[in-house]
Amino acid sequence: QVQLVESGGGLVKPGGSLRLSCAASGFTFSDYYMSWIRQAPGKGLEWVSHISSSGNTIHYADSVKGRFTISRDNAKNSLYLQMNSLRAEDTAVYYCARDGPFDPWGQGTLVTVSS
Amino acid sequence: DIQMTQSPSSLSASVGDRVTITCRASQSISSYLNWYQQKPGKAPKLLISAASSLHSGVPSRFSGSGSGTDFTLTISSLQPEDFATYYCQQRYSTPRTFGQGTNVEIK
Repeated sequence: QVQLVESGGGLVKPGGSLRLSCAASGFTFSDYYMSWIRQAPGKGLEWVSHISSSGNTIHYADSVKGRFTISRDNAKNSLYLQMNSLRAEDTAVYYCARDGPFDPWGQGTLVTVSS
Repeated sequence: DIQMTQSPSSLSASVGDRVTITCRASQSISSYLNWYQQKPGKAPKLLISAASSLHSGVPSRFSGSGSGTDFTLTISSLQPEDFATYYCQQRYSTPRTFGQGTNVEIK
């Protein structure tokens, strides 16, 4: 079945870096835009970034622009989010989702930015 | 950026009640509006896309309507498994934006 599985979350100090991965299966990954969406503890949903099927078109939320980089490897059916210069306010569960509309979603991976 | 405003932010209802949640966009988004359900500790799930198209496997008691700036999600007869938080989301433009959520609680 269609499935997305995130990995790579964890505890990191402010200013540090982390790379999230999202493994896709059950559909033709290379046909779809993909997105990262996050949810801070007890808060609502915030779209972070998306990437076109070919990787040629990328957009970011202003809150992460210049610090986060989205990428994909269609040969490996994988989506990535490189997060640099992390701040306490980046603490959240990060979900990957197939775009347009967002379905399905992965189970999420928790990123905690704290000293 | 397009702002999405949901109302109410929370509501209490009983099993069998008819529940309506409203979502308003800060500018016209045609029918590029999706609804999601999220239960505690779980990822959101798509309920309705394109304002009124019921996603596969979603019970028919859920329905969506609206276009332009005003949208509604209706649950015709609330069931125990429907107690959750509901989010609207526009995909008319980037950045994609969500409403703040509506928490449906047991009365």
